Amino acid sequence: KNEVEQSPQNLTAQEGEFITINCSYSVGISALHWLQQHPGGGIVSLFMLSSGKKKHGRLIATINIQEKHSSLHITASHPRDSAVYICAVPWQAGTALIFGKGTTLSVSS
Amino acid sequence: EPEVTQTPSHQVTQMGQEVILRCVPISNHLYFYWYRQILGQKVEFLVSFYNNEISEKSEIFDDQFSVERPDGSNFTLKIRSTKLEDSAMYFCASSDQGTSQPQHFGDGTRLSIL
Repeated sequence: KNEVEQSPQNLTAQEGEFITINCSYSVGISALHWLQQHPGGGIVSLFMLSSGKKKHGRLIATINIQEKHSSLHITASHPRDSAVYICAVPWQAGTALIFGKGTTLSVSS
Repeated sequence: EPEVTQTPSHQVTQMGQEVILRCVPISNHLYFYWYRQILGQKVEFLVSFYNNEISEKSEIFDDQFSVERPDGSNFTLKIRSTKLEDSAMYFCASSDQGTSQPQHFGDGTRLSIL
Protein backbone atom coordinates (compact mmCIF):
# COMPACT_ATOMS: atom_id res chain seq x y z
CA LYS A 1 0.00 0.00 0.00
CA ASN A 2 1.35 3.38 -0.96
CA GLU A 3 2.02 6.21 1.45
CA VAL A 4 2.06 9.85 0.41
CA GLU A 5 3.84 12.66 2.22
CA GLN A 6 3.53 16.31 1.31
CA SER A 7 5.47 19.32 2.45
CA PRO A 8 5.06 21.96 3.59
CA GLN A 9 1.68 21.56 5.28
CA ASN A 10 1.05 25.32 5.12
CA LEU A 11 2.57 27.96 2.92
CA THR A 12 2.10 31.71 2.87
CA ALA A 13 3.46 33.87 0.09
CA GLN A 14 3.38 37.36 -1.28
CA GLU A 15 1.92 37.91 -4.71
CA GLY A 16 4.53 37.26 -7.37
CA GLU A 17 6.59 34.76 -5.39
CA PHE A 18 7.69 31.41 -6.78
CA ILE A 19 6.03 28.53 -4.92
CA THR A 20 7.22 24.93 -4.55
CA ILE A 21 5.21 22.11 -3.00
CA ASN A 22 6.77 18.68 -2.57
CA CYS A 23 5.36 15.17 -2.59
CA SER A 24 7.02 11.85 -1.80
CA TYR A 25 5.53 8.39 -2.09
CA SER A 26 6.68 4.98 -0.96
CA VAL A 27 5.82 2.53 -3.75
CA GLY A 28 6.50 2.72 -7.48
CA ILE A 29 3.57 4.10 -9.44
CA SER A 30 2.18 4.41 -12.96
CA ALA A 31 1.25 8.07 -12.56
CA LEU A 32 1.02 10.80 -9.96
CA HIS A 33 -1.79 13.33 -9.71
CA TRP A 34 -1.76 16.92 -8.52
CA LEU A 35 -5.15 18.34 -7.58
CA GLN A 36 -6.46 21.61 -6.26
CA GLN A 37 -9.17 21.90 -3.63
CA HIS A 38 -10.95 25.21 -3.52
CA PRO A 39 -12.08 26.85 -0.26
CA GLY A 40 -15.63 25.73 -1.09
CA GLY A 41 -14.44 22.10 -1.17
CA GLY A 42 -14.49 21.27 -4.88
CA ILE A 43 -11.57 19.23 -6.24
CA VAL A 44 -10.02 19.88 -9.63
CA SER A 45 -7.38 17.78 -11.34
CA LEU A 46 -4.35 19.87 -12.31
CA PHE A 47 -1.87 17.34 -13.63
CA MET A 48 -1.38 13.66 -14.12
CA LEU A 49 2.21 12.72 -14.88
CA SER A 50 4.31 9.60 -15.07
CA SER A 51 7.67 11.10 -16.05
CA GLY A 52 9.49 14.36 -16.62
CA LYS A 53 7.67 17.65 -16.48
CA LYS A 54 4.31 19.14 -17.43
CA LYS A 55 3.37 22.81 -17.67
CA HIS A 56 0.01 24.50 -17.71
CA GLY A 57 0.04 28.26 -17.56
CA ARG A 58 1.92 29.28 -14.40
CA LEU A 59 1.84 25.76 -12.98
CA ILE A 60 4.67 23.29 -13.51
CA ALA A 61 4.77 19.73 -12.22
CA THR A 62 7.85 17.53 -12.19
CA ILE A 63 8.40 13.95 -11.16
CA ASN A 64 11.48 11.85 -10.43
CA ILE A 65 10.42 8.22 -10.62
CA GLN A 66 13.69 6.86 -9.24
CA GLU A 67 13.53 9.07 -6.17
CA LYS A 68 9.73 8.68 -5.80
CA HIS A 69 9.34 12.44 -5.58
CA SER A 70 7.31 15.10 -7.33
CA SER A 71 7.13 18.87 -7.08
CA LEU A 72 4.47 21.38 -8.01
CA HIS A 73 5.69 24.86 -8.80
CA ILE A 74 3.67 28.02 -9.21
CA THR A 75 5.41 30.91 -10.91
CA ALA A 76 4.35 34.50 -10.22
CA SER A 77 1.83 33.47 -7.57
CA HIS A 78 -1.45 35.35 -7.31
CA PRO A 79 -4.09 35.56 -4.57
CA ARG A 80 -6.43 33.47 -6.73
CA ASP A 81 -3.92 30.60 -6.38
CA SER A 82 -4.88 30.36 -2.70
CA ALA A 83 -6.20 26.83 -2.23
CA VAL A 84 -5.20 23.42 -0.94
CA TYR A 85 -2.89 21.52 -3.29
CA ILE A 86 -3.03 17.76 -3.02
CA CYS A 87 -0.77 15.04 -4.34
CA ALA A 88 -2.33 11.64 -5.03
CA VAL A 89 -1.00 8.30 -6.25
CA PRO A 90 -2.59 4.95 -7.05
CA TRP A 91 -3.85 3.27 -3.88
CA GLN A 92 -2.80 -0.23 -4.84
CA ALA A 93 -2.51 -1.88 -8.24
CA GLY A 94 -5.77 -0.44 -9.52
CA THR A 95 -7.11 2.97 -10.43
CA ALA A 96 -8.24 4.36 -7.09
CA LEU A 97 -6.19 7.14 -5.53
CA ILE A 98 -4.62 7.68 -2.13
CA PHE A 99 -4.24 11.31 -1.21
CA GLY A 100 -1.67 13.32 0.67
CA LYS A 101 -2.80 15.60 3.46
CA GLY A 102 -2.49 18.61 1.19
CA THR A 103 -0.62 21.89 1.30
CA THR A 104 -2.64 24.95 2.19
CA LEU A 105 -1.39 27.88 0.16
CA SER A 106 -2.30 31.45 0.98
CA VAL A 107 -1.10 34.20 -1.33
CA SER A 108 -1.56 37.78 -0.27
CA SER A 109 -1.39 40.88 -2.43
CA GLU B 1 -17.25 21.04 -20.45
CA PRO B 2 -18.94 17.88 -19.12
CA GLU B 3 -18.92 17.57 -15.36
CA VAL B 4 -19.75 15.16 -12.57
CA THR B 5 -22.87 16.21 -10.67
CA GLN B 6 -23.75 15.20 -7.15
CA THR B 7 -27.00 15.52 -5.25
CA PRO B 8 -27.90 16.65 -2.72
CA SER B 9 -25.23 19.20 -1.89
CA HIS B 10 -26.02 18.86 1.81
CA GLN B 11 -27.81 16.01 3.57
CA VAL B 12 -28.76 16.02 7.23
CA THR B 13 -29.82 12.65 8.67
CA GLN B 14 -30.54 11.16 12.06
CA MET B 15 -28.10 8.53 13.31
CA GLY B 16 -29.24 5.05 12.35
CA GLN B 17 -31.09 6.17 9.26
CA GLU B 18 -30.27 5.08 5.74
CA VAL B 19 -28.94 7.64 3.31
CA ILE B 20 -28.38 7.54 -0.44
CA LEU B 21 -25.94 9.87 -2.10
CA ARG B 22 -26.34 10.31 -5.83
CA CYS B 23 -23.90 11.03 -8.58
CA VAL B 24 -24.16 11.44 -12.32
CA PRO B 25 -20.71 10.74 -13.79
CA ILE B 26 -19.55 12.12 -17.13
CA SER B 27 -21.50 10.22 -19.75
CA ASN B 28 -18.76 8.32 -21.61
CA HIS B 29 -16.72 7.50 -18.50
CA LEU B 30 -16.26 3.90 -17.43
CA TYR B 31 -14.60 4.12 -14.00
CA PHE B 32 -16.44 5.48 -10.98
CA TYR B 33 -15.26 6.28 -7.48
CA TRP B 34 -16.46 7.39 -4.10
CA TYR B 35 -14.15 9.23 -1.74
CA ARG B 36 -14.84 10.94 1.55
CA GLN B 37 -13.23 13.76 3.48
CA ILE B 38 -13.89 14.17 7.17
CA LEU B 39 -13.66 17.82 8.18
CA GLY B 40 -10.05 18.90 8.53
CA GLN B 41 -8.67 15.58 7.27
CA LYS B 42 -7.37 14.26 3.98
CA VAL B 43 -9.48 12.74 1.24
CA GLU B 44 -9.90 8.97 1.68
CA PHE B 45 -10.75 6.34 -0.90
CA LEU B 46 -13.90 4.31 -0.33
CA VAL B 47 -14.70 2.27 -3.44
CA SER B 48 -14.15 2.03 -7.18
CA PHE B 49 -16.59 0.58 -9.69
CA TYR B 50 -16.01 -0.68 -13.21
CA ASN B 51 -17.99 -2.88 -15.58
CA ASN B 52 -20.94 -2.99 -13.16
CA GLU B 53 -19.00 -4.31 -10.23
CA ILE B 54 -16.77 -3.16 -7.40
CA SER B 55 -13.13 -3.30 -8.49
CA GLU B 56 -11.47 -2.01 -5.31
CA LYS B 57 -12.62 -1.06 -1.85
CA SER B 58 -10.88 0.25 1.23
CA GLU B 59 -11.25 -0.95 4.79
CA ILE B 60 -13.61 1.99 5.38
CA PHE B 61 -16.11 0.47 2.92
CA ASP B 62 -17.62 -2.06 5.28
CA ASP B 63 -20.97 -3.85 5.19
CA GLN B 64 -22.95 -0.69 5.94
CA PHE B 65 -21.90 0.77 2.58
CA SER B 66 -23.07 -0.27 -0.86
CA VAL B 67 -22.83 1.16 -4.35
CA GLU B 68 -25.06 0.76 -7.33
CA ARG B 69 -25.35 1.92 -10.90
CA PRO B 70 -29.11 1.51 -11.28
CA ASP B 71 -29.26 2.83 -14.82
CA GLY B 72 -26.92 4.15 -17.49
CA SER B 73 -26.34 7.48 -15.81
CA ASN B 74 -26.57 7.36 -12.02
CA PHE B 75 -24.04 6.03 -9.53
CA THR B 76 -25.17 5.85 -5.92
CA LEU B 77 -23.59 5.33 -2.52
CA LYS B 78 -25.87 3.95 0.19
CA ILE B 79 -25.04 4.03 3.85
CA ARG B 80 -27.38 1.58 5.53
CA SER B 81 -27.34 2.66 9.16
CA THR B 82 -25.52 5.94 9.60
CA LYS B 83 -23.19 6.67 12.49
CA LEU B 84 -21.95 9.99 13.80
CA GLU B 85 -18.52 9.25 12.34
CA ASP B 86 -20.01 9.03 8.85
CA SER B 87 -20.32 12.81 8.88
CA ALA B 88 -18.07 13.96 6.06
CA MET B 89 -17.95 15.38 2.56
CA TYR B 90 -18.48 12.60 0.04
CA PHE B 91 -17.00 13.04 -3.42
CA CYS B 92 -17.90 11.10 -6.52
CA ALA B 93 -15.37 10.91 -9.34
CA SER B 94 -15.18 9.35 -12.77
CA SER B 95 -12.60 8.72 -15.46
CA ASP B 96 -12.73 7.23 -18.94
CA GLN B 97 -9.53 5.21 -19.04
CA GLY B 98 -8.63 4.27 -15.50
CA THR B 99 -4.97 4.83 -14.73
CA SER B 100 -4.15 6.67 -17.93
CA GLN B 101 -6.60 9.54 -17.47
CA PRO B 102 -7.27 12.01 -14.67
CA GLN B 103 -10.31 11.66 -12.47
CA HIS B 104 -13.07 14.25 -12.62
CA PHE B 105 -14.67 15.11 -9.29
CA GLY B 106 -18.11 16.30 -8.38
CA ASP B 107 -18.58 19.17 -5.94
CA GLY B 108 -19.38 16.76 -3.14
CA THR B 109 -22.25 16.04 -0.78
CA ARG B 110 -21.83 17.22 2.77
CA LEU B 111 -23.37 14.57 5.01
CA SER B 112 -24.21 15.60 8.55
CA ILE B 113 -25.32 12.90 10.98
CA LEU B 114 -27.18 14.10 14.09
